[in-house]
Amino acid sequence: NAGVTQTPKFRVLKTGQSMTLLCAQDMNHEYMYWYRQDPGMGLRLIHYSVGEGTTAKGEVPDGYNVSRLKKQNFLLGLESAAPSQTSVYFCASSPGYLNTEAFFGQGTRLTVV
Amino acid sequence: AQKVTQAQTEISVVEKEDVTLDCVYETRDTTYYLFWYKQPPSGELVFLIRRNSFDEQNEISGRYSWNFQKSTSSFNFTITASQVVDSAVYFCALSKPGGYNKLIFGAGTRLAVHP
Repeated sequence: NAGVTQTPKFRVLKTGQSMTLLCAQDMNHEYMYWYRQDPGMGLRLIHYSVGEGTTAKGEVPDGYNVSRLKKQNFLLGLESAAPSQTSVYFCASSPGYLNTEAFFGQGTRLTVV
Repeated sequence: AQKVTQAQTEISVVEKEDVTLDCVYETRDTTYYLFWYKQPPSGELVFLIRRNSFDEQNEISGRYSWNFQKSTSSFNFTITASQVVDSAVYFCALSKPGGYNKLIFGAGTRLAVHP
């Protein structure tokens, strides 16, 4: 089982460039999430989705957009990257019930120069 | 508002020592869920435990144990006889029912276990 797979694993962007991070899960989970991890701050929720075709803002949504056109995929877009978006990005998924644990991808390390 | 505080930024121990990682949470909900995740040097997040607010029993899993105390809003994690492989960043997290399983994370505690 692949679980949650993120691509790419590493990326360096120049300020102002755009990119899309792809998350794919093969567990038929309803809920999917994008978090960012910064030193001393733990993980913070960027956006999430509770089903195909739905998205919602999390704690730190500014500068990001998301789409969930297919249940198994959740895309995170940066339209105009800024150095403040240098971070490690984690995608996660969970079944749509009872506050069960979330399953995380391996992370994407993004550097914006 | 919900909040999770892990006051210990870094802990360093020698192998075979016992170590406790502290987690204090804030929530106005009467029902909530607490989690611990491990992030080894390889970077992935590994689920360790989930506890709901109605279950205050302590839990033991091998060398790991968890002490949940609602009276002090704490959910502490103890590793007995630590090993080098326990070296990682440990995160405590909180979620609430109806919240779509969104997690509020603490800042994490980096544990270094030296031989």
